Amino acid sequence: DAKTTQPPSMDCAEGRAANLPCNHSTISGNEYVYWYRQIHSQGPQYIIHGLKNNETNEMASLIITEDRKSSTLILPHATLRDTAVYYCIVRSSTFVFGPGTRLSVLP
Amino acid sequence: EAGVTQSPTHLIKTRGQQATLRCSPISGHTSVYWYQQALGLGLQFLLWYDEGEERNRGNFPPRFSGRQFPNYSSELNVNALELEDSALYLCASSPGRDSFSTDTQYFGPGTRLTVL
Repeated sequence: DAKTTQPPSMDCAEGRAANLPCNHSTISGNEYVYWYRQIHSQGPQYIIHGLKNNETNEMASLIITEDRKSSTLILPHATLRDTAVYYCIVRSSTFVFGPGTRLSVLP
Repeated sequence: EAGVTQSPTHLIKTRGQQATLRCSPISGHTSVYWYQQALGLGLQFLLWYDEGEERNRGNFPPRFSGRQFPNYSSELNVNALELEDSALYLCASSPGRDSFSTDTQYFGPGTRLTVL
């Protein structure tokens, strides 16, 4: 499975867009990029996933670069409830969760 | 629609005992996954069941085992508990329609196991 690299922490002002980057330079052609978040020891919550096209749903947008070596999760209007650890996962045979990015949304 | 449910919420055992954790998947889902999340660490994949069969297993000793029942619910058994087994155990389910590489997993709230 391809490894992902995320910044350990980020801050974002409430109401602003939160852009969370993820590098996955060893991704292969059939591996999907998934994003989950985990709020304080709750079960991880699915956010979005994609293969090579940009995706958008009611929670977020996922931008995947053309070479697929990196992606960005965008929360368009961050709220305090979006404070969580965000995991970027490149998935083939298993779900491998790294340490993720701890996003703090500040009032 | 009900999500993934897990029981019990908390479980306290002593070293050497056995623990049984239970998971009910989302209705219509046939795949169940188990993960371990020790304090301050990431999720570690334990087991994957689909249609009653064990499909994949993470790097855990054989004392971690489980099964999936005909109604697709699942239980995780941990024998000969050790102190380092203390963790949040998460169950996830997926539709199981597609290959493992694309199936989106939905997680339950977890069971917090404490081994004294």
